[in-house]
Amino acid sequence: SQELEQSPQSLIVQEGKNLTINCTSSKTLYGLYWYKQKYGEGLIFLMMLQKGGEEKSHEKITAKLDEKKQQSSLHITASQPSHAGIYLCGADDPTSGTYKYIFGTGTRLKVLA
Amino acid sequence: EPEVTQTPSHQVTQMGQEVILRCVPISNHLYFYWYRQILGQKVEFLVSFYNNEISEKSEIFDDQFSVERPDGSNFTLKIRSTKLEDSAMYFCASIELAGGPRYFGPGTRLTVL
Repeated sequence: SQELEQSPQSLIVQEGKNLTINCTSSKTLYGLYWYKQKYGEGLIFLMMLQKGGEEKSHEKITAKLDEKKQQSSLHITASQPSHAGIYLCGADDPTSGTYKYIFGTGTRLKVLA
Repeated sequence: EPEVTQTPSHQVTQMGQEVILRCVPISNHLYFYWYRQILGQKVEFLVSFYNNEISEKSEIFDDQFSVERPDGSNFTLKIRSTKLEDSAMYFCASIELAGGPRYFGPGTRLTVL
C-alpha cells in the first residue's frame, strides 16, 4: 500500500524566516492535498495539486508537486506565528477501489515571535 | 460553500458504553468515509461507504464498529462497546465523484473514561 512520509517531523523557526516541508510518496501520486491542523482540532484544507510540475500559491504558502508526482513541497515565506500548527499531506490511495485517502506523518511547525 | 457537519463536537463516555457519532455529508456526494486520529498521531482511515454499503475498511474497523446511512442524509459511526483506546478525534469525509476534492467535517472528539 502507499505510504506518505513527511519531513521534517517538527520545525521551529523565527518569525520572518522561510521554511519548507516535504511530503514523499512510495508510489505515484494522483492528487496531493495539503492540510493544516491545530493540535487536537479539525483539518483545514490548504491546496490540491494534481499535475506533475504543478505549483499553487495562497498568501504566503506555495505548494509544488514534482514532475514525477512522487514528492510535494510546501513552502512558507516570511513565516508568522499564525502559521504555527501541524501540516499534513494527504493523497488518494491508487490501490484503493474506493478512493481511500491516506495521510502523511505530519510536520509540527512552531514559529517564534 | 458546502460543508460536512459532525455532531457532537465532543463526546465523553464510560468504557463499555455504545456511542454514535453523526455526520451530515454534502448532499450530492456519493462516497463517504470515517477517519480517526489519536491525539498526536497520524490520521488513519477507518472505512469507506458507497452505494449504501461498506466498500472498504481498515484493520482498525473491527466488529465493534458499524456505519449506517439511515435516511439518505446522515452518516453514522457506531462503536458498540467503547474501549479506552477508542479515545480519538473522528473525522467524517465525503466526495462527489471519484478523485474529486475531499471535504472533511470538523471532527468529533471522543473521550472514553
